[in-house]
Amino acid sequence: DIVMTQSPDSLAVSLGERATLSCKSSQNLLYSSNNKNYLAWYQQKPGQPPKLLFYWASTRESGVPDRFSGSGSGTDFTLTISSLQAEDVAVYYCQQYYNTPYTFGQGTKLEIK
Amino acid sequence: QVQLVESGGGVVQPGRSLRLSCAASGFTFSSYSMHWVRQAPGKGLEWVSVISNDGNNEYYADSVKGRFTISRDNSKNTLFLQMNSLRPEDTAVYYCGREYFDSVDYWGQGTLVTVSS
Repeated sequence: DIVMTQSPDSLAVSLGERATLSCKSSQNLLYSSNNKNYLAWYQQKPGQPPKLLFYWASTRESGVPDRFSGSGSGTDFTLTISSLQAEDVAVYYCQQYYNTPYTFGQGTKLEIK
Repeated sequence: QVQLVESGGGVVQPGRSLRLSCAASGFTFSSYSMHWVRQAPGKGLEWVSVISNDGNNEYYADSVKGRFTISRDNSKNTLFLQMNSLRPEDTAVYYCGREYFDSVDYWGQGTLVTVSS
């Protein structure tokens, strides 16, 4: 199975500052035939289901603010929030869908400093 | 609008069975693969299973393989998860989700399954 490792486990950032979340996979997630990385990012707020932020590692889901960006390829991926807002407090998960089982990272809890 | 509503959760003794349902509306259910994802209390997300739009292909997490069965009824726009030989470690909120470019774009609110004697 592909193991997804997120870092850090928790992160405190001041309002308006940049937040950088990392996700590493144990195997390459870049599918050579279509040049797409089979990775998604989700945001989960307390008491709510997850919300899709990015698929194909960097394709922003409709309605997601452009202060969020997804980047990376192969085994190393990053979710960046350029200017942290209070409503961005949540747990963020990456998930690979290159192979079943479609494994998630353990999550990064993002808080306000 | 897209809606997914899970039901069937509850308290069940170890070794017993439970069947979860997910009623879908607001989209052409038969055109989409569907997923189950679970979350133990205070823990992270764990992918459980996926079924293709026509029901012909299904995949499972190692932790549930041989005990859980995913299925669907496209005539009733409903997804199912049959859970047998339940264990305390199966205690979780179970979410159903619609597949979108292999990720999950719409999620239900979840149904809680508690396995306890």
